[in-house]
Amino acid sequence: NAGVTQTPKFQVLKTGQSMTLQCAQDMNHNSMYWYRQDPGMGLRLIYYSASEGTTDKGEVPNGYNVSRLNKREFSLRLESAAPSQTSVYFCASSGPTPDTQYFGPGTRLTVL
Amino acid sequence: DAKTTQPPSMDCAEGRAANLPCNHSTISGNEYVYWYRQIHSQGPQYIIHGLKNNETNEMASLIITEDRKSSTLILPHATLRDTAVYYCIVRLNRFNKFYFGSGTKLNVKP
Repeated sequence: NAGVTQTPKFQVLKTGQSMTLQCAQDMNHNSMYWYRQDPGMGLRLIYYSASEGTTDKGEVPNGYNVSRLNKREFSLRLESAAPSQTSVYFCASSGPTPDTQYFGPGTRLTVL
Repeated sequence: DAKTTQPPSMDCAEGRAANLPCNHSTISGNEYVYWYRQIHSQGPQYIIHGLKNNETNEMASLIITEDRKSSTLILPHATLRDTAVYYCIVRLNRFNKFYFGSGTKLNVKP
């Protein structure tokens, strides 16, 4: 039981490049989330998916797109990376009971 | 969701109880209080949550005031491994959205 896994762990992009961050969970959870955490700050919600086939915006969705590929997988795409998107990205999942979120180890992204 | 206010940092001696306060004066009747912590740069870890009554689990205790406008997370015997940023979150239970603030950096000292 791996919990929540994220790939890659580290990534360096140039401004304007695109990439997709992958997230998978093996806990049969309905809900999945993407957060970003800037240095010295708390986490901010980018997008979430309450269930397979649905997605909704969080606090800071601009510049990102998401895909809930199936119940296990939730990907985050940066179409044209900007230096302001340099951050650590965390994926999380939650089930209905208990109503808590389980986080992945994070992806450290640098945009030059 | 109600906003929360936490002190930016606190110190605690190893072996002593750590009491972390949180103000949530605009909380509504059906909003839960959650606590998470983040050790170094790892993903946040769930600690405990509650609605009205005090709660206890193997990690901590949660004390919610009668008017529900504030709460306290208690780590009964803090260890060096409890050094982390602790986040207090208030949210409606039917919406699966958590909004993290800046949290409290707890420094446990030998």
